[in-house]
Amino acid sequence: EAEVAQSPRYKITEKSQAVAFWCDPISGHATLYWYRQILGQGPELLVQFQDESVVDDSQLPKDRFSAERLKGVDSTLKIQPAELGDSAMYLCASSEGARPTDTQYFGPGTRLTVL
Amino acid sequence: AQSVAQPEDQVNVAEGNPLTVKCTYSVSGNPYLFWYVQYPNRGLQFLLKYITGDNLVKGSYGFEAEFNKSQTSFHLKKPSALVSDSALYFCAVSPPGDSWGKFQFGAGTQVVVTP
Repeated sequence: EAEVAQSPRYKITEKSQAVAFWCDPISGHATLYWYRQILGQGPELLVQFQDESVVDDSQLPKDRFSAERLKGVDSTLKIQPAELGDSAMYLCASSEGARPTDTQYFGPGTRLTVL
Repeated sequence: AQSVAQPEDQVNVAEGNPLTVKCTYSVSGNPYLFWYVQYPNRGLQFLLKYITGDNLVKGSYGFEAEFNKSQTSFHLKKPSALVSDSALYFCAVSPPGDSWGKFQFGAGTQVVVTP
């Protein structure tokens, strides 16, 4: 069964450093999502791509976060500089399309700890 | 704006007993509703979804959910819980219309199944 791949699984960094997370969606899925999940809470959408285009980044802190999906396949989420409050699980998900009925499939996540 | 609520932070049940995890929603129009499960340090796994039709939806691992429009609820159920069902469960709503498949997740319910 096809899965969403993410790396690294765990990342520890010091504040003010730069970090990057990678996601490879299920083959053929046009829509890719990055979520942030704080411990004890549900995931919150950071950015959504349709192919290589951003369709929603309204909740992305653009002063420090950036995301790209250059060829419309895999994606990178970057934080520079990292802050203590960025400690969270970062989840990537993909779906066939962006219809509200499309199921989103999640990767295993990257657990970020900022010291 | 849409919202989803999971009124119980934790549900405790003995193995073999029925399990119910509650979810209520608020959305304009007919909602699309999803349930996911998350094991420690893992991503979310899709269990089932309601789009239209039969109010009782069957999903993975013996789970089912009942859509109740008058009570705006979508409770997750399993007739006989297993210890391995202990995990964090999330309800999500995807509003109809041109919303680019934007999910709103509940805060999650921790299920603890004791032997």
